[in-house]
Amino acid sequence: NAGVTQTPKFRILKIGQSMTLQCAQDMNHNYMYWYRQDPGMGLKLIYYSVGAGITDKGEVPNGYNVSRSTTEDFPLRLELAAPSQTSVYFCASSLRLNTEAFFGQGTRLTVV
Amino acid sequence: GDSVTQMEGPVTLSEEAFLTINCTYTATGYPSLFWYVQYPGEGLQLLLKATKADDKGSNKGFEATYRKETTSFHLEKGSVQVSDSAVYFCALRDTSGSRLTFGEGTQLTVNP
Repeated sequence: NAGVTQTPKFRILKIGQSMTLQCAQDMNHNYMYWYRQDPGMGLKLIYYSVGAGITDKGEVPNGYNVSRSTTEDFPLRLELAAPSQTSVYFCASSLRLNTEAFFGQGTRLTVV
Repeated sequence: GDSVTQMEGPVTLSEEAFLTINCTYTATGYPSLFWYVQYPGEGLQLLLKATKADDKGSNKGFEATYRKETTSFHLEKGSVQVSDSAVYFCALRDTSGSRLTFGEGTQLTVNP
């Protein structure tokens, strides 16, 4: 009964470092998403994927990269961390368009 | 583009009080509308949804009606409990895309 699993839960990065946020789902969902949540703001879509091998940009893709080599996994890569990327990151998945999106518990990232 | 506007928070109520959280949207066509809830330290969970005009979504005592004429989807509950304390997000999914557009969220605190 895992659903959407994100790792790590917390991370502190120094400016210019890189890291990968992991996301895995075990529901065989085609669609996967990465959002960031800033204080007092709604969630902003970073990237999404409609299936293995297919990704597309969301509202705020700059500074991030993604890949989708399998149905289960959708990692988010930060190449050169900046303080503006301090946020809580949520991964989500859904079976089809217009079906319920299931969210992971989030990764709290601080860039100092 | 699409947008969702929620009433400003935070909202503080006493147990058994009536709750209304306002949500209005801007979108072309006939989007699907959602309310998500985020409990402390957790990811978002779908609370209820409505996919066409005049539909009423309901769950756990919460209700919201899709009003096309006023472009609104206000969340209501007749008697709140301490366990309802959370952040509530209104969201829409447009008819053509695969993305959810979120409002900024409303923090609800219910005191015993």
